[in-house]
Amino acid sequence: GAVVSQHPSWVICKSGTSVKIECRSLDFQATTMFWYRQFPKQSLMLMATSNEGSKATYEQGVEKDKFLINHASLTLSTLTVTSAHPEDSSFYICSASGNQETQYFGPGTRLLVL
Amino acid sequence: GNSVTQMEGPVTLSEEAFLTINCTYTATGYPSLFWYVQYPGEGLQLLLKATKADDKGSNKGFEATYRKETTSFHLEKGSVQVSDSAVYFCALTSPNTDKLIFGTGTRLQVFP
Repeated sequence: GAVVSQHPSWVICKSGTSVKIECRSLDFQATTMFWYRQFPKQSLMLMATSNEGSKATYEQGVEKDKFLINHASLTLSTLTVTSAHPEDSSFYICSASGNQETQYFGPGTRLLVL
Repeated sequence: GNSVTQMEGPVTLSEEAFLTINCTYTATGYPSLFWYVQYPGEGLQLLLKATKADDKGSNKGFEATYRKETTSFHLEKGSVQVSDSAVYFCALTSPNTDKLIFGTGTRLQVFP
């Protein structure tokens, strides 16, 4: 089956630093990748959609300068949380889809900003 | 706009009990419908899906039928196990878009 990995699985950083999260599709080419944020005991909120080689499309209310998304290849997308603050602490999840509509999710990255 | 409504949890059951988790949706056109499961400490996994009215998705003993007349996609399992304890998310995608819209999730706890 389709496998999506994320790295790191968890990260702790100091306020003001930047953190990069990688999302890889291991056995298929992902034309589209999605980034979600999940708060404790809540549903997933879509942050942005990225297509390989194009600029990401951000959802309303998501700061594009704070959450930088790069989708440079068909198997890799990165999310960089710039100048992180405690309120950015959350569980970040990526998903990837190929030519079919099904999205395959990564295991998530837990970010804690001190 | 499009939306998904799930029953609030947690749902607490004894092993071998019958499970129903209700899901209704609001959408324009003919959406595809999904159930995802999130086990503790893990990411979401696709459990089953249905892409048109009256389709039944099934996997691991779970079933859900796409009911257009009632705009529902209820998840059922005849006999739950402790290992089914997880959070279950109902979701949809609208035609011509890859965007998934999730419900708030329902936590299932199964006790031996």
